[in-house]
Amino acid sequence: DAGVTQSPTHLIKTRGQQVTLRCSPKSGHDTVSWYQQALGQGPQFIFQYYEEEERQRGNFPDRFSGHQFPNYSSELNVNALLLGDSALYLCASSLWPTDTQYFGPGTRLTVL
Amino acid sequence: AQSVTQLGSHVSVSEGALVLLRCNYSSSVPPYLFWYVQYPNQGLQLLLKYTTGATLVKGINGFEAEFKKSETSFHLTKPSAHMSDAAEYFCAVSDHGETSGSRLTFGEGTQLTVNP
Repeated sequence: DAGVTQSPTHLIKTRGQQVTLRCSPKSGHDTVSWYQQALGQGPQFIFQYYEEEERQRGNFPDRFSGHQFPNYSSELNVNALLLGDSALYLCASSLWPTDTQYFGPGTRLTVL
Repeated sequence: AQSVTQLGSHVSVSEGALVLLRCNYSSSVPPYLFWYVQYPNQGLQLLLKYTTGATLVKGINGFEAEFKKSETSFHLTKPSAHMSDAAEYFCAVSDHGETSGSRLTFGEGTQLTVNP
C-alpha cells in the first residue's frame, strides 16, 4: 500500500517564475493538506482541500493556490516566486474531517 | 488560536539514557496532540497521537507521551536512547472541527543527538 507521494523531489526556479508541485494521497484518504517548512523551522500550514474545495487556509498570500482532482490528488501552485519561498513543501493526506495526517517525503524548492 | 512551544531546540543524550523532549501547547478546544519525527532530507513520520481517552499514549520505536491538561503539556519520553533515534522531533496540535477540517500547528522542533 503506497503512502503519500510527491513530485518532483527537488526543483530549482528563479525569482518571478511559477511552480507546480504535485501530491498523491495515501490510498483511502480523501483530504490533502499542504505545509511549508523553511530551513530550521517547523512546518507552516498553507491550506487544506476536500471534495475539490479549499476548506481551510493559513496565513499565506494569494500567490499560493491549489487544486484537488476527483481522484483526490492535489497540486500546489506558487506564482511570482520570491527568494523567501525556498523551502521544503510537504503534503499530508487524511480522512475528512479530523483524521490523523500522514506526510509525504516533500519537495525541496530552491528559488535563485 | 493554537500554539506549541518546544523547550530546547537541541537535546543531547548518551546511548541508553532517558530521552525527554518537552512540549507545551495552547488550544481553544480540547486538543488533539501529535509527535512527529523527521530524519534528514525526509518528510514527517508519525510517532504517536493523543485525541481522547487514556492520557498516556504509546507510539512506535519505544516512545510514549503523557497528556497533562493541568500543565498543558505533552512531553515525549523514551527510557533508553538508541543511536537511530537521532533526528528532529516536532510536537503539533490540531485545530479540528467536524465541518471545518483540521490544520496542524507545529512547534519549532527539537534536534535530538545521541552520543555513543
